[in-house]
Amino acid sequence: AQSVSQHNHHVILSEAASLELGCNYSYGGTVNLFWYVQYPGQHLQLLLKYFSGDPLVKGIKGFEAEFIKSKFSFNLRKPSVQWSDTAEYFCAVSLIPRAGGGNKLTFGTGTQLKVEL
Amino acid sequence: NAGVTQTPKFRILKIGQSMTLQCAQDMNHNYMYWYRQDPGMGLKLIYYSVGAGITDKGEVPNGYNVSRSTTEDFPLRLELAAPSQTSVYFCASSSPPEVREQYFGPGTRLTVT
Repeated sequence: AQSVSQHNHHVILSEAASLELGCNYSYGGTVNLFWYVQYPGQHLQLLLKYFSGDPLVKGIKGFEAEFIKSKFSFNLRKPSVQWSDTAEYFCAVSLIPRAGGGNKLTFGTGTQLKVEL
Repeated sequence: NAGVTQTPKFRILKIGQSMTLQCAQDMNHNYMYWYRQDPGMGLKLIYYSVGAGITDKGEVPNGYNVSRSTTEDFPLRLELAAPSQTSVYFCASSSPPEVREQYFGPGTRLTVT
């Protein structure tokens, strides 16, 4: 079964610092990759996604992620974080859906990011 | 569009009680999912459905039941609540065949004491 590892459980940064959150998955086949964000008290929102093509994907709010197939990684980056980026970030992986088979996501355990003023 | 809606937002249950968590979506999505979120554990899939009348178990189905009589609704039932079911429950939906993004509801925070 596939699994997703997020190595940083808690990250504290000052405003304007650069961010990189690690995500590694274990599955040898073709995958779809996602980063979701959960702001305090809110539901999960999609930050960005990778299906195919350019391995560097850009999402909302200045976030980007790079898919490195050889490393089974999909790290999230932002050059300069803001206080409003304080949230929990989840990496998720799904296998290419089979017809009628649904699209089951496997989530990492999440990284709690706190940005200090 | 309301998207994915869940009720109630909060609920406290006593051990052994039963309840149904409601989930509805107005996006005409075929696929719907139930997850539970526990601190430090990420989200775990409980059950999912690929269409009306079709449901299947996810990673952690024990203690739960689901039904899918319509495309819009996907209720999750707890028959005999246990403290281990204290969690935040999220419903999600997505649309085949090429759209793989899941849209999440606001969640239900359940405490079993």
